[in-house]
Amino acid sequence: EAQVTQNPRYLITVTGKKLTVTCSQNMNHEYMSWYRQDPGLGLRQIYYSMNVEVTDKGDVPEGYKVSRKEKRNFPLILESPSPNQTSLYFCASSWVWRGDYNEQFFGPGTRLTVL
Amino acid sequence: DAKTTQPPSMDCAEGRAANLPCNHSTISGNEYVYWYRQIHSQGPQYIIHGLKNNETNEMASLIITEDRKSSTLILPHATLRDTAVYYCIVRGPNTGTASKLTFGTGTRLQVTL
Repeated sequence: EAQVTQNPRYLITVTGKKLTVTCSQNMNHEYMSWYRQDPGLGLRQIYYSMNVEVTDKGDVPEGYKVSRKEKRNFPLILESPSPNQTSLYFCASSWVWRGDYNEQFFGPGTRLTVL
Repeated sequence: DAKTTQPPSMDCAEGRAANLPCNHSTISGNEYVYWYRQIHSQGPQYIIHGLKNNETNEMASLIITEDRKSSTLILPHATLRDTAVYYCIVRGPNTGTASKLTFGTGTRLQVTL
């Protein structure tokens, strides 16, 4: 089954304790992206990757890092989490734009709470 | 990418058609209209997309006006499982960030018995 998986699904942590949220897709997609969703602000892009070893900042990259060493994986790293990073996080993947059709597949989300 | 305007919420009776409008008056000639939905904090799900012709798939129909300044997503027989936030997104073809989706606040559709 074609899917995007994220782990963990729920995480409660404390300020300053480094954490990693994993994302993996099995569709051989080149493009992967991280979003965060906050009430009243919608989904906002954090980082994206066009292919292996190619990453770039989205709209709200501060406080986050990513890496793309393999095509299927795109982990999100919070080296020193703060309470303002409490949010619902989504990983997504798709083909790089090919004509008009470009469905983006989303993972189930990771709910992060930073105390 | 063009900005979109959607009503914040709508209600629909189960079994009836749900018609969700979207205004995109600044859309450019090469920009597509995409619809996604998000059910109760799950990951957003693609529904349908179109350029200027009306489109239909197993989930919904998309009606785009001739001037392309607005569109309507139609769920022909809404069920309780269609209760979700629906996002109308306009995006162009070969943008620098390729696949970025810019989500607004969407329309919260409540389907009732």
